[in-house]
Amino acid sequence: QVQLQESGPGLVKPSETLSLTCVVFGGSVTSNWWSWVRQPPGRGLEWIGETSHRGSNNYNPSLKSRVNMFVDTSKNQFSLRLNSVTAADTAVYYCAGHGDYYMDVWGKGTTVTVSS
Amino acid sequence: QSALTQPASVSGSPGQAITIPCTGTSSDVGYYKYVSWYQQHPGKAPRLIIYDVTNRPSGVSCRFSASKSGNTASLTISGLQAEDEADYYCNSYTRSNSYVFGTGTKVTVL
Repeated sequence: QVQLQESGPGLVKPSETLSLTCVVFGGSVTSNWWSWVRQPPGRGLEWIGETSHRGSNNYNPSLKSRVNMFVDTSKNQFSLRLNSVTAADTAVYYCAGHGDYYMDVWGKGTTVTVSS
Repeated sequence: QSALTQPASVSGSPGQAITIPCTGTSSDVGYYKYVSWYQQHPGKAPRLIIYDVTNRPSGVSCRFSASKSGNTASLTISGLQAEDEADYYCNSYTRSNSYVFGTGTKVTVL
């Protein structure tokens, strides 16, 4: 059974870059598409984007200018980078694995706060 | 892209059935058969309960069912139980090769 684990800094300063990694356990990062989803405090889910080991990416149009995602097959993990962050980017960030057009495996989430 | 529209809250008594609508557009819910539903308990990660409009993953109770008509998808929970109290989100693939979530619905068991 595939399991995912997010990691990264819990605190990022405004205007800097948020960087998170998701390690895939019990499966291969080459077998699926992989997404990042976030949830601001007290609010709903927002899809950030998806990546695959082939180097293909699709991003939320509202975040596209600030987002980069990529897969590292040597470490069996995938990553998110979100630049020029503001307080509005404060959220719980989840990584998720796809089964075709749905997300059937989720990490537990990691909280990122944007503050000076 | 705009979030899919869901009611903020729905409630029901134990044993009752409730339905949560999810309204999108002809570019997402109305275009593809790629609507999924997620259950989220407080402080927990979302859990997939429905995929491809009507399909239940292994291990999900048969009390959860779903359908779609036009630009609106719907999730029905039958025989409502205390453990069903949670937030529910719909999600759809879009013609922009992206995904969009619904605004979320808090289900309360009275």
